[in-house]
This record gives sequence, structure tokens and C-alpha cells, in this order.
Amino acid sequence: AQTVTQSQPEMSVQEAETVTLSCTYDTSENNYYLFWYKQPPSRQMILVIRQEAYKQQNATENRFSVNFQKAAKSFSLKISDSQLGDTAMYFCAFSISNFGNEKLTFGTGTRLTIIP
Amino acid sequence: DTAVSQTPKYLVTQMGNDKSIKCEQNLGHDTMYWYKQDSKKFLKIMFSYNNKELIINETVPNRFSPKSPDKAHLNLHINSLELGDSAVYFCASSPYARSAETQYFGPGTRLLVL
Repeated sequence: AQTVTQSQPEMSVQEAETVTLSCTYDTSENNYYLFWYKQPPSRQMILVIRQEAYKQQNATENRFSVNFQKAAKSFSLKISDSQLGDTAMYFCAFSISNFGNEKLTFGTGTRLTIIP
Repeated sequence: DTAVSQTPKYLVTQMGNDKSIKCEQNLGHDTMYWYKQDSKKFLKIMFSYNNKELIINETVPNRFSPKSPDKAHLNLHINSLELGDSAVYFCASSPYARSAETQYFGPGTRLLVL
């Protein structure tokens, strides 16, 4: 079974600073996918970034980037130049590519607050 | 132009009642899912359907019965509601079942059982 661990229940950072959210996972699979989802107060689940495990290059999306360390089973999210709109719960999630089992397994989330 | 929509957004009901939550996606995706988010914000898969066929059923009580009339719809019917069913229920969809494609989530339905 796959597990995802987010060890930081809450974080806060000043606007315009950089913040890194941690995520570790456990799996015996070799081909899998990792995601960061954002859930603002509106409750909507929004995909932030996605990483395929077979790709060595870290994914980036504008101000969001990941540090994917496959051997260490670590997948951290870095938010640069943080903005007030980044305030949200952030969930790390894992999925394998296996017909019949493409469910997302989520971590417990990190509540991020951007301070003006 | 909502990609994944759910109705209702809020549902308040008495214990023992039966209720349904509807989900529709207009993305042309083959696979749809139901997730439950509890009071501690923990998200867990309940069901997935691929082209109207049940693929995943994660040890959910029999009181929960998903129904997929076509691949664009996945409804969730809950019988004999219990206090512990209070949660936010999210519907999601993804293009294919054979690869871990990105899942797109609906806005959620907040269910409160009194």
C-alpha cells in the first residue's frame, strides 16, 4: 500500500518570500506520479503541479517548482515570491499507473498562510 | 462552462434519511471518482468508474451506492445517513483509466447530518 506523509501541519510566511512544503511517500512501485493540489478557502481542489517518477527533471509551473528525490522518496513543493492568493491547504498526492488502481492517495495536508 | 459540477453544494439532513449527490463532467473524460474529505481535511477515495463500470470500491459501507448512467455522470446515493457521514464529498474525473492522468475535481458537496 502507498502512503503519503506531510510532516508540516501548518506554515506561514511573509508575502514575497519563498516557502517549501515537505512531502515523503512510501511505495514499492517504480512507475508512479506525484501531484500537489491546492485547496483555498473556497474548498475547490486545484492542481498545482505534477511530476512523473520516470522523469529526472523537476517539474516547474511559474512560481511553483518541485524537488523530486526518487531515491529518498521525497517530493517537496517550493513556492517563490509568495502571494496572498497562495494561502490555502496544500495536499501532496500519489498515483500509480495501473488499470483499476489510479486512485489518488493524499497526505494530510499543510495549511499555508501568506502574511501581508 | 464548469468542467466538473456537483449538486447540491450544501446538504443538511436528519439522521436516517436517504440523499443523493449528483456529479457531471463535460470534459469528455472516461473515468470518474468520488472522494470523501473528513473534518480533519483528510481526503480518501471511495469509488471510481470507467465508462460506467465500477473499478474501485474502497471498503465503503453498503449504504453508499454510486450510479453511473453514462460516462459523463456519476451520482452518489447514501441510505440511512449517519452522523459520521458528515463530510465534504468531491467528485473528480480524468481522461483515461490506464494511466495516472491528472484528476479534475468538482467544487465539493458539504453534507451535514444532524
